[in-house]
Amino acid sequence: QKEVEQDPGPLSVPEGAIVSLNCTYSNSAFQYFMWYRQYSRKGPELLMYTYSSGNKEDGRFTAQVDKSSKYISLFIRDSQPSDSATYLCAMSARGSTLGRLYFGRGTQLTVWP
Amino acid sequence: NAGVTQTPKFRILKIGQSMTLQCTQDMNHNYMYWYRQDPGMGLKLIYYSVGAGITDKGEVPNGYNVSRSTTEDFPLRLELAAPSQTSVYFCASKTGDQPQHFGDGTRLSIL
Repeated sequence: QKEVEQDPGPLSVPEGAIVSLNCTYSNSAFQYFMWYRQYSRKGPELLMYTYSSGNKEDGRFTAQVDKSSKYISLFIRDSQPSDSATYLCAMSARGSTLGRLYFGRGTQLTVWP
Repeated sequence: NAGVTQTPKFRILKIGQSMTLQCTQDMNHNYMYWYRQDPGMGLKLIYYSVGAGITDKGEVPNGYNVSRSTTEDFPLRLELAAPSQTSVYFCASKTGDQPQHFGDGTRLSIL
């Protein structure tokens, strides 16, 4: 079993839709959870960063972490064509001096006008 | 503030050639990382460094070497290029418990 599982999609939605992206993981030591957005031919760009469980909101984006279910989500409200990108979840364990990130495969999202 | 800068952006190599992928960061980060990303896959860690003079292997180090002589620079060397090393390579850096910041990558094709 991979440490981080993410449905690669592709996911195609109309402008204005609510998008839900998800990852599951198996390592209970993971404490830091991130969502990166990657546009075509660019590097991953940090979108959301949370520690342990709970919700975090930033504008149209909400990240949720459910450690009891080993499940994280990213919600995008009022999606825009500019949100079209690949979304990567990533996580790391607390206390790791390396800070090694474990990535999902990424979900490709297209928002059409 | 340039962040993480990678050069070159694109490169085509012949099998058996060698090259160095350059990475430099201007944020005074102590941690630096090299990843490769294959189509439809997540990023896999090749090598990492926790500071100048200290490097260690990641998940997929075979065929690669690194050095870290300064805080700013973390070059990745391919000695004998093989077709399996065709990929997109990303360099990243961070400090403390903060998340990693990535460069825009080097697309490498080996023919």
